[in-house]
Amino acid sequence: QVQLQESGPGLVKPSETLSLTCTVSGGSISSSSHYWSWIRQPAGKGLEWIGRIYSSGSTKYNPSLNSRVTISIDKSNNQFSLKLSSVTAADTAVYYCASSGNYYDYFDSWGQGTLVTVSS
Amino acid sequence: DIQMTQSPSTLSASVGDRVTITCRASQSISSWLAWYQQKPGKAPKFLIYKASTLESGVPSRFSGSGSGTEFTLTISSLQPDDFATYYCQQYSSSPFTFGPGTKVDVK
Repeated sequence: QVQLQESGPGLVKPSETLSLTCTVSGGSISSSSHYWSWIRQPAGKGLEWIGRIYSSGSTKYNPSLNSRVTISIDKSNNQFSLKLSSVTAADTAVYYCASSGNYYDYFDSWGQGTLVTVSS
Repeated sequence: DIQMTQSPSTLSASVGDRVTITCRASQSISSWLAWYQQKPGKAPKFLIYKASTLESGVPSRFSGSGSGTEFTLTISSLQPDDFATYYCQQYSSSPFTFGPGTKVDVK
């Protein structure tokens, strides 16, 4: 299984854009075998799937966040990224990157997670 | 969206107990259900897919069953390492959704 590691600012101001990167190791992000997802978890709460990207650049987003989310892929650095615009305090959460297969949509590898706080 | 519910929200148990967690979907998801275990401050750990198939390396005391809208996760003999929160997830259709979690704590 691949290994994933999130990185990015831990503090974002309200109305600004949250930007995170996930670095993939132990496998190629260009592989046709995986989808690459972002999932978040507010403190003490459950998990919310944000969206995913395939190596072709094809994306699928959760409609609840669709208008604010962009997921992109950087094959040269074996990374994929999340941008979430117009953030509010409700976007404060631990953000995970995760992988699933190209014929299944459960998440068999996860990053350790990174806490992003939205506050002025 | 398919809504997932879990019961109970908290389960108090002792080492050696048989533990059962129920997950329900708002519509039929066939067997497209996964289970995860999460400990405080850690990422979820993938346990079971297709409702009943154990991921490689997951102890055999874990088992899953069900289809359609009702599913169960059973731990046959609870071990100290099993105290955690458990989540179900449907992958029948996007957006992929998780249950609210069941916390298994020490009785």
